[in-house]
Amino acid sequence: QITLKESGPTLVKPTQTLTLTCTFSGFSLSTSGVGVGWIRQPPGKALEWLALIYWNDDKRYSPSLKSRLTITKDTSKNQVVLTMTNMDPVDTATYYCAHSGQLAAFDIWGQGTMVTVSS
Amino acid sequence: QSVLTQPPSVSGAPGQRVTISCTGSSSNIGAGYDVHWYQQLPGTAPKLLIYGNSNRPSGVPDRFSGSKSGTSASLAITGLQAEDEADYYCQSYDSSLSGPNWVFGGGTKLTVL
Repeated sequence: QITLKESGPTLVKPTQTLTLTCTFSGFSLSTSGVGVGWIRQPPGKALEWLALIYWNDDKRYSPSLKSRLTITKDTSKNQVVLTMTNMDPVDTATYYCAHSGQLAAFDIWGQGTMVTVSS
Repeated sequence: QSVLTQPPSVSGAPGQRVTISCTGSSSNIGAGYDVHWYQQLPGTAPKLLIYGNSNRPSGVPDRFSGSKSGTSASLAITGLQAEDEADYYCQSYDSSLSGPNWVFGGGTKLTVL
């Protein structure tokens, strides 16, 4: 059974850097074809894809946020970390991590973690 | 402004059939990239409903079906039930000049009357 869980601060100040960790179980990020992505959802708004890292360390970023994002993986710890620099109140959202595998879709999602950006 | 366009809302009575459209362009759906659909019940994380345009993951009722044609895709729900009331999102891949990108639609709120 695949599960993912996001963790990180619930409140960050403007201009600070956000670090979120996705801890997963039930699969290995060293298995060919497997990836973990990050998606966010501002309150009452649509989903927005942020980043994706594959088993071979191939990394993809949203073009509009690429300069602010870094995604890394620790295969031994079954974790994927997303950092987002220069946080702004518009970045207030629920941040989800999700598994991407054979189906080429985000087939299993974490519960999400709400991050508020405010001074 | 989402790259994939969905109607903000649709509604239907129990037992009826509803469809939700997802309109893209030549850089995403029209380029042949697959469309996936997600259901988000109130206060919960999205759940994969349809993958690869028309395939249902294990456990998804066959009341849900997907199709794709040209630069658009559709999600159909037959035999509408109260528990289907949720937000629905389409998702695809976009290869525009700004860079490769996984894109979502703006979401459609389904109300069961």
